[in-house]
Order: sequence, then C-alpha cells, then structure tokens
Amino acid sequence: DTGVSQDPRHKITKRGQNVTFRCDPISEHNRLYWYRQTLGQGPEFLTYFQNEAQLEKSRLLSDRFSAERPKGSFSTLEIQRTEQGDSAMYLCASSGLSNRGIDGNTIYFGEGSWLTVV
Amino acid sequence: ELKVEQNPLFLSMQEGKNYTIYCNYSTTSDRLYWYRQDPGKSLESLFVLLSNGAVKQEGRLMASLDTKARLSTLHITAAVHDLSATYFCAARMDSNYQLIWGAGTKLIIKP
Repeated sequence: DTGVSQDPRHKITKRGQNVTFRCDPISEHNRLYWYRQTLGQGPEFLTYFQNEAQLEKSRLLSDRFSAERPKGSFSTLEIQRTEQGDSAMYLCASSGLSNRGIDGNTIYFGEGSWLTVV
Repeated sequence: ELKVEQNPLFLSMQEGKNYTIYCNYSTTSDRLYWYRQDPGKSLESLFVLLSNGAVKQEGRLMASLDTKARLSTLHITAAVHDLSATYFCAARMDSNYQLIWGAGTKLIIKP
C-alpha cells in the first residue's frame, strides 16, 4: 500500500487514560498534518510538521495533546487524560514531492483513527 | 481570520440532473481543495486549484476558482448514484499550511 497509513483504526478507551496514534505518511513526503473530525463536521487542523520540525500547532490543541515526528518519517499523536470530548476521528495526512511522481500540491489523507472515550 | 462557507449543506437530486456546490472563503487564500468523503471513510482528494480562473475536470465533476470573488464551485453534470457522498472544500491560509474547511455538502442522488 502506497498511501498514508494510520494505526490503530479504532480505539475505545476509558476517560482519563492515555492514547497514542501512529501515522506513516507516503514515503518521502516531507509534510505531515494531523486533523480531527467529529460527526457531521469538517476536519479541524491540529498540527503540522515539515520533516521533523513541528511548525504549526492549533490553539485547539490543549496541553494534553502532543505530537512528534522524531526522524521526519512516521508521526505519533498522544492524548493524555482523555475526556469524552476527545471522541472523534483523528486524521493524518501528508504532502510533498516524492520520487514516485505524486503531485506535490495534493494532500493525501489516511483512513483515520476513530477514538471513543467512555 | 479565514472562514470557509459551503452551500448548500444538503442536496438531494435525481440522477441525470446538473447541480453546483458553492464554496466561499473570507480572506485571501493561495489554494483551494475539494475532497469527497463517504460515510465512515476518510477524505479522497478530488481537485487542487492554484490560481484565478483555474478549472479542473474529472469525469462528471468540474471545479473552478475565482480568487477575486473568493469563490470556488464544484459542478456535477448528469449525476449518477455513485456520486452520493459528502463533499468538502478547504482553503489554505496564505501564511501557513493549515487548511480551513467548509462544513461539507451532503449529496444524495436518487436513482
């Protein structure tokens, strides 16, 4: 599969627990994004990486949220002390020129990680 | 602050008809995206529009961009049931890589 992959696809957790999502972007894409989407709404931007540098971070991202992209390849999004309001689909996306001729202007999204906090 | 508005938010139409979804954005943006989303699924890229007057077509879908009017349209020609989905537009803020999204247009095409 040459697309953006996310893991796990579904996660049910109890309120107060920590969860971590992983994203593997399209190979050699240098730009990586995290978005959050709730039912019936458009996605909301969370954060953006260029290579390993986190260049933008939404005001929506509380101190409980942290994202990393340590080697400029895969990324993780961690939510600490989850709350019911964190229930959503967490989407990872990537863009940037690759050596397989994929359009550098298009942002490709993964299948998403569904989080349910009970 | 960049805001993006889509209309209509819901559209039910018959197969074979034509219709247009509108996407207005409030401040300058250097590119406009259209995505399709099926229920419970992720976002499929349809078009990226980069300049004023840009027009792109894929099958029964055609997107255009008027940066002076801050308006993009997604036109559906001779709709078929398989095009039933939610369609989102998103504008990129000039100074960064953040996309601001519309609320989506839920399109139902009846046989």
